[in-house]
Amino acid sequence: DAGVIQSPRHEVTEMGQEVTLRCKPISGHDYLFWYRQTMMRGLELLIYFNNNVPIDDSGMPEDRFSAKMPNASFSTLKIQPSEPRDSAVYFCASSLPRVSIEQFFGPGTRLTVL
Amino acid sequence: AQRVTQPEKLLSVFKGAPVELKCNYSYSGSPELFWYVQYSRQRLQLLLRHISRESIKGFTADLNKGETSFHLKKPFAQEEDSAMYYCALCAFGNEKLTFGTGTRLTIIP
Repeated sequence: DAGVIQSPRHEVTEMGQEVTLRCKPISGHDYLFWYRQTMMRGLELLIYFNNNVPIDDSGMPEDRFSAKMPNASFSTLKIQPSEPRDSAVYFCASSLPRVSIEQFFGPGTRLTVL
Repeated sequence: AQRVTQPEKLLSVFKGAPVELKCNYSYSGSPELFWYVQYSRQRLQLLLRHISRESIKGFTADLNKGETSFHLKKPFAQEEDSAMYYCALCAFGNEKLTFGTGTRLTIIP
């Protein structure tokens, strides 16, 4: 198993452009999480899904951010329009039920908004 | 609300010296606590969880409910311990992890 897959690995875009980040969780995992990592704030949970249904999106910073999970093997995080302060590393993670079962992280997408 | 505090952003320790990475939390219920680690060019991964009471790569962490702490310790640091370490908390019955801001540990040869 390749683990959690994220694409692209790096994204450089200009302010105002739409950005779409993609994630494929580990097969059979019911939970999918999107995180943002910055130097100042560390690792922040943006949103998570259970069986493709969004459970908690309280970490989504504003309406410019949206996330979908159309099926058990694919999720997207979209930023529209992007701003320089969105520059960060975005991680996707998946897990089986019960978080005491560990979360498995993808390699992350490094986003730079100019 | 739950909160995890890692007071040290950076920590440098000589090889062979003891290591302690601090983690304090605030949560009114019974938490589950974890340490995650990210080595250079590798994915963030679970290091240990308090319910397992295990030692991984020589690291241990004890949950101290009185002091609301979950410090990570290792008696003798090794160069391969250099990494970013995150403490995380999960509320009982929840799936959501709250992470601290992380501590970058550097082991000096």
